[in-house]
Amino acid sequence: EAEVAQSPRYKITEKSQAVAFWCDPISGHATLYWYRQILGQGPELLVQFQDESVVDDSQLPKDRFSAERLKGVDSTLKIQPAELGDSAMYLCASSSHRAGSYNEQFFGPGTRLTVL
Amino acid sequence: QKEVEQNSGPLSVPEGAIASLNCTYSDRGSQSFFWYRQYSGKSPELIMFIYSNGDKEDGRFTAQLNKASQYVSLLIRDSQPSDSATYLCAVSRAGGTSYGKLTFGQGTILTVHP
Repeated sequence: EAEVAQSPRYKITEKSQAVAFWCDPISGHATLYWYRQILGQGPELLVQFQDESVVDDSQLPKDRFSAERLKGVDSTLKIQPAELGDSAMYLCASSSHRAGSYNEQFFGPGTRLTVL
Repeated sequence: QKEVEQNSGPLSVPEGAIASLNCTYSDRGSQSFFWYRQYSGKSPELIMFIYSNGDKEDGRFTAQLNKASQYVSLLIRDSQPSDSATYLCAVSRAGGTSYGKLTFGQGTILTVHP
């Protein structure tokens, strides 16, 4: 069964360092999402891609976060510099729908980030 | 007011009972509704989705939607200890640049005890 791949699964870093996360969506899925989930809360959307284009990054802290999906397939999310409050699970999801609201998203295993 | 609200629980039910999980949302433009199950330390797993008012059944799970009341629920019949997890309600609206975006509630922790 096709799955969303993410790496690394765990990352420990010190504040002010740079970190990067990678996501490979299910083959053929045009839409890719990055979510952040703080312990005890639901996931919150950071950025949404349609192919290689950003369609929603309204909740992305752009002073320190960046995301790209250069060829419309895999994606990288970067944080520079990391802050203590960035400690969370970073989830990547993908869906095959190109438009409309009927949107079943499939999540990868996530990257657990701890900032010391 | 949060966009999607759930009772955080924990909700504790005995094995074999019916677990009832509730969710309300504030955006009347919401068109699709999802229930995800999340085990501790794992990623969310889609278990049900519903688009139309009424009930939708899938095995032991039944999702109920009432758009007029802005309310969606999930019933789990014959609850098993393996159902113990956090259940996330998520909604999505059509149109604009945020099509497909999921807005999640904070989740309800369900514990099924033997």
